[in-house]
Amino acid sequence: AIRMTQSPSSFSASTGDRVTITCRASQGISNYLAWYQQKPGKAPNLLIYAASTLQSGVPSRFSGSGSGTDFTLTISCLQSEDFATYYCQQYYSYPQTFGQGTEVEIK
Amino acid sequence: EVQLVESGGGLVKPGGSLRVSCAASGFIFSSYTMNWVRQAPGKGLEWVSSISSSSSYIYYADSMKGRFTISRDNAKNSVYLQMNSLRAEDTAVYYCARGSVPAAGIDYWGQGTLVTVSS
Repeated sequence: AIRMTQSPSSFSASTGDRVTITCRASQGISNYLAWYQQKPGKAPNLLIYAASTLQSGVPSRFSGSGSGTDFTLTISCLQSEDFATYYCQQYYSYPQTFGQGTEVEIK
Repeated sequence: EVQLVESGGGLVKPGGSLRVSCAASGFIFSSYTMNWVRQAPGKGLEWVSSISSSSSYIYYADSMKGRFTISRDNAKNSVYLQMNSLRAEDTAVYYCARGSVPAAGIDYWGQGTLVTVSS
């Protein structure tokens, strides 16, 4: 199975900060990567698919980049509603796999 | 409006069985791959299984092969997960989730149903 490794596992940030989360695949997955946001007690929400395509309705402060094995999720100006846990997922091959998650906390 | 509503979760003893269901509405169910994803308490997301629109292709996570069976009934707009030989480590919220078309991740999720495996 393809292993997805996110970094960091958690960090603290302030409203207005620019934040970047990294996801690395154990083998090349082209651009078959999605990013999700999850808040406590809620189901995940799709933010980005195909590594860099913004899902309909997702604010433009979210962006994604990368291809092959290295990917990033960037939030350009962190808002209060963005404090959550973020997951990457590869859908290049089965079994699909998720990263372990990155928790973004309020500083 | 797309809706996915899971049911059937509960408390089951180790070694026992349980079937969880997902009722879908608001879209053409027979056109979409459906998935189950789980999340153990305080842990991350774990993909469990996928079934293609016509049930031709079925996939499982390695740790669930031989114990879990995914199925669907397009006439009833429902997808199911039969779980046998349950272990304590299967305790989790099980989410029903729709695969986007064309394949691009999971675009809709249910609210989840909690399965607790404990004696």
